[in-house]
Order: sequence, then structure tokens, then C-alpha cells
Amino acid sequence: NAGVTQTPKFQVLKTGQSMTLQCAQDMNHNSMYWYRQDPGMGLRLIYYSASEGTTDKGEVPNGYNVSRLNKREFSLRLESAAPSQTSVYFCASSDRRGGDGRNQPQHFGDGTRLSIL
Amino acid sequence: AQSVTQLDSHVSVSEGTPVLLRCNYSSSYSPSLFWYVQHPNKGLQLLLKYTSAATLVKGINGFEAEFKKSETSFHLTKPSAHMSDAAEYFCVVSADTGGFKTIFGAGTRLFVKA
Repeated sequence: NAGVTQTPKFQVLKTGQSMTLQCAQDMNHNSMYWYRQDPGMGLRLIYYSASEGTTDKGEVPNGYNVSRLNKREFSLRLESAAPSQTSVYFCASSDRRGGDGRNQPQHFGDGTRLSIL
Repeated sequence: AQSVTQLDSHVSVSEGTPVLLRCNYSSSYSPSLFWYVQHPNKGLQLLLKYTSAATLVKGINGFEAEFKKSETSFHLTKPSAHMSDAAEYFCVVSADTGGFKTIFGAGTRLFVKA
């Protein structure tokens, strides 16, 4: 009953270092998302993948890249970390449409807490 | 265009008293609306969703929300608060159009006093 799994749970980086956040889902969802959460700002979409093989920019894509490795996995990469990227990062997945044609809710991982010094 | 406004950043109630968390939205299209709860150091968990089948939506843990189109509101309520309800709550709007757009409110922190 794993749902959405994110690794690592915590990470501290120095400015300029690079790293990749991993996300995997076992619900056979087509769509996957990366968000960042900052105090008082809710969640902001970084990138999303509507289906395997496609990725698109969200609201705050600068400084990030993504890879939809297969249907299960969607990774987020910081090429050169900056202190402004200190945040909690959440991965989510969903089926876009339900049987009623309505957007389906997203299922979230427990987050990666990233600090950049 | 879409937006969502959670009218209170913090709400404090006593255990056993009613909970009201307010959410107003705007959407150019027929929206789907959701409420999520986030406990400390956890991801967001779906409480309930509105998808036009009924204006009063019942969710998990005794929560419910009423969709009021005339007021563009989707307030979350619970008749009697429990200590375990202390968490942050997010109202979310998602447009049912060909494109993708999901907007999260800034969140309301619920405190429950013994």
C-alpha cells in the first residue's frame, strides 16, 4: 500500500551542488507532478507530466529539470542549487479524468525537505 | 482564469465545538473542488471532492463541504472538533478543461484546544 514514494526524505546541499529527487508511484496513474511548498504560499507547481513521455512547465520551473523515466517514475533535478530553492518538495500522481469526465484528486508523497546553504 | 482564497490563515477552536474553514474560488470553467489535510511532516491527504453530483459533499473523519455557486464558496465544516483534527487544510480548484490547471489555496492552520 505504498502509493507515492519520495526519496530522500531530507537533504542538505551547498550552493552550486546538484541533486536529483526521486519519485515513484504504484497506482498506475498517467499523470505525475512536482510541487514546492513554502510557508504561507500553499503548493506551487514546478513541472508536470500528463502522461508517459511528456513533460511541461508549471508555475515555477526555473532552476529545475524533470525526467519521466517510465509510467511509475518522475524525477526532479536541481542542476546548481541556490538558497532560494530551500523548500519542501512534494511529488503527486493522479488519473486526469474520472468516469464522470471530472479531474481526479492527486495523491501525494510525504515530501523531501531540502535545505541549501 | 482560476483562483482560490482561503479566508483565514489560522482558526482556533475548542475540542467538541464546530469547525468552519472558509474557501472562495473563481473559475472560468466548471470547476472540480477539493479539500486536503496536511499533518506535520506529511504529504497532503484528500478529505473530500466536489464534482457536481451533489452540492453537499461528505468526506473522511466527519468533514463535509457545501458547494455554493452563487457565493463561489466551498467551505469546510465539521460538527465537533477532535484534537487529532489539528493540522493544515488546503482548498484546491481544478478546471475541467482541455488544459491542466490546479490551484492550491495558501492553507488554513487549525488549532484545537483541550
